Amino acid sequence: GAVVSQHPSWVICKSGTSVKIECRSLDFQATTMFWYRQFPKQSLMLMATSNEGSKATYEQGVEKDKFLINHASLTLSTLTVTSAHPEDSSFYICSARGSSGGWADTQYFGPGTRLTVL
Amino acid sequence: DAKTTQPNSMESNEEEPVHLPCNHSTISGTDYIHWYRQLPSQGPEYVIHGLTSNVNNRMASLAIAEDRKSSTLILHRATLRDAAVYYCILKEGAQKLVFGQGTRLTINP
Repeated sequence: GAVVSQHPSWVICKSGTSVKIECRSLDFQATTMFWYRQFPKQSLMLMATSNEGSKATYEQGVEKDKFLINHASLTLSTLTVTSAHPEDSSFYICSARGSSGGWADTQYFGPGTRLTVL
Repeated sequence: DAKTTQPNSMESNEEEPVHLPCNHSTISGTDYIHWYRQLPSQGPEYVIHGLTSNVNNRMASLAIAEDRKSSTLILHRATLRDAAVYYCILKEGAQKLVFGQGTRLTINP
């Protein structure tokens, strides 16, 4: 149990275009989802926290107008990188935290999406 | 911020036990100690978590010092598939997991 999926697993796009990444909790309801970014040989950096049905909370230094997060249901959150540039190339990882029971205290992570902006 | 300190890297041999240390001298009374690991090009994987007592699951054991200022993740019999970066994380506030640099574990055949 506790599976989180991401789609796509990798994407290549041209500079200036927008890219949407989906994150789904497959076998549990996630009231809270998190988006992280990881550059090569570095640790994960939390970008934002989103709760179902409300606006995301962004970490300091993360542009909310560039990284649009939508958490429309208890099983789906999306991250849209708008007007992507080469410096946005990174590994984007989502995680989900359950709403009740045994899943509540643990975050489960998706497999990540590798974004390359040309 | 509640922070942890881990060695940058460790090395062990296949089929031997591995003890991964973590120091967290500023831990608060309500902080849980979480361990995650990340294999290359994958998202982190939950390993184990605990508060005060030692914990065991099918993946590993977590030994927590009596004063809670340190803990040790124990892999009882390492395999090549255990090679990963291991993160020791104190759960910050209500929800956020904040990752440090972790320990890169190499397993020799």
